[in-house]
Amino acid sequence: GDSVTQMEGPVTLSEEAFLTINCTYTATGYPSLFWYVQYPGEGLQLLLKATKADDKGSNKGFEATYRKETTSFHLEKGSVQVSDSAVYFCALSGRPGNTGKLIFGQGTTLQVKP
Amino acid sequence: EAGVTQFPSHSVIEKGQTVTLRCDPISGHDNLYWYRRVMGKEIKFLLHFVKESKQDESGMPNNRFLAERTGGTYSTLKVQPAELEDSGVYFCASSQALGGANYGYTFGSGTRLTVV
Repeated sequence: GDSVTQMEGPVTLSEEAFLTINCTYTATGYPSLFWYVQYPGEGLQLLLKATKADDKGSNKGFEATYRKETTSFHLEKGSVQVSDSAVYFCALSGRPGNTGKLIFGQGTTLQVKP
Repeated sequence: EAGVTQFPSHSVIEKGQTVTLRCDPISGHDNLYWYRRVMGKEIKFLLHFVKESKQDESGMPNNRFLAERTGGTYSTLKVQPAELEDSGVYFCASSQALGGANYGYTFGSGTRLTVV
């Protein structure tokens, strides 16, 4: 079945460091790919998404490119801030016949220190 | 517009007791999803309602879990009797369109359930 694998955490960085969180997936067909973020004490929020190969999703300085050849959707940010400390989840929504169900990775905790 | 509301936000119960979680979706959202994250693991799909009908309940772990959505508005998820492995964070999400993850999904803040 479809699955998502994320790099293990936690990830600890200093402010202004470069961030990469790896995400690879296994899916039949052409899924849509997502990054969700959960800030402390809050619910899951959509950070960015990409719906087809070579699409780049971006938001709040974060980027991820849908790479079909490597089945990857790595999250990157050039300069992290303390406020980026959160849990990040990579997810996919399979197609065809998609009913909106999401398949998530295990989450990666990011801690940014001043 | 009010978001997806879940309550309680936290619940601590003893093994063998019953707990009911509630989710109020965004008004007008026909699609309602339940997910669960067990400590440190991935978030897993439990089930999907379209209005009051269960569209997909393939993720429900066993018959101790009962989900309802009477009238197609709010939903409840009852765990009876609760076991230690049921501990985790239960998330609810709603969307207006089928295929909601692709078109707009709103999650609640979750209910943290601890079974002791």
